[in-house]
Amino acid sequence: GQNIDQPTEMTATEGAIVQINCTYQTSGFNGLFWYQQHAGEAPTFLSYNVLDGLEEKGRFSSFLSRSKGYSYLLLKELQMKDSASYLCAVRDDGYALNFGKGTSLLVTP
Amino acid sequence: DADVTQTPRNRITKTGKRIMLECSQTKGHDRMYWYRQDPGLGLRLIYYSFDVKDINKGEISDGYSVSRQAQAKFSLSLESAIPNQTALYFCATSPPGPGTDTDTQYFGPGTRLTVL
Repeated sequence: GQNIDQPTEMTATEGAIVQINCTYQTSGFNGLFWYQQHAGEAPTFLSYNVLDGLEEKGRFSSFLSRSKGYSYLLLKELQMKDSASYLCAVRDDGYALNFGKGTSLLVTP
Repeated sequence: DADVTQTPRNRITKTGKRIMLECSQTKGHDRMYWYRQDPGLGLRLIYYSFDVKDINKGEISDGYSVSRQAQAKFSLSLESAIPNQTALYFCATSPPGPGTDTDTQYFGPGTRLTVL
């Protein structure tokens, strides 16, 4: 079976840095994705990791450790518009995406 | 114009009715997916198709069927809707992978379905 865990909720202050963790146990691994989803809207792609290490994209970075079954999404210089759900998803041997339940991030002034 | 469209965007129906949700894409992608999203449960895969002649069951296919009419169209049917199928349904597409970014999924705007 697939097991992907991430915190349910997090709160952070505008301008700060926040790290959202994701741990996974899946049947096979062919990459890990992070998506952002604003309430009532479609998920949008943020980042992709298939090798160990850090991928940086502007204010957002994502880290992967395959041996530990662990990833995190790092958001810097938080803005109010970053309040959203962040979804961790692992692509398995069948190339289907398995999503975690998402982390709801609230950015406060 | 949106690359991935879903119709209808909202639908209210009654228990026992047959419902079809449609998805169209202009991205030229071979792979298409149907997910449902429920509060507290995240996105769960219902069916996926890697090309017109390929249909695969996902995690929660019971009570659903699909049709891949063309590369650009993938429909989801509820043969006899029941209240616990009330959810937000998303269609997604992706180009063939694997590879960085090439297997990224692009989601449609969603269909909010309520079964009374």
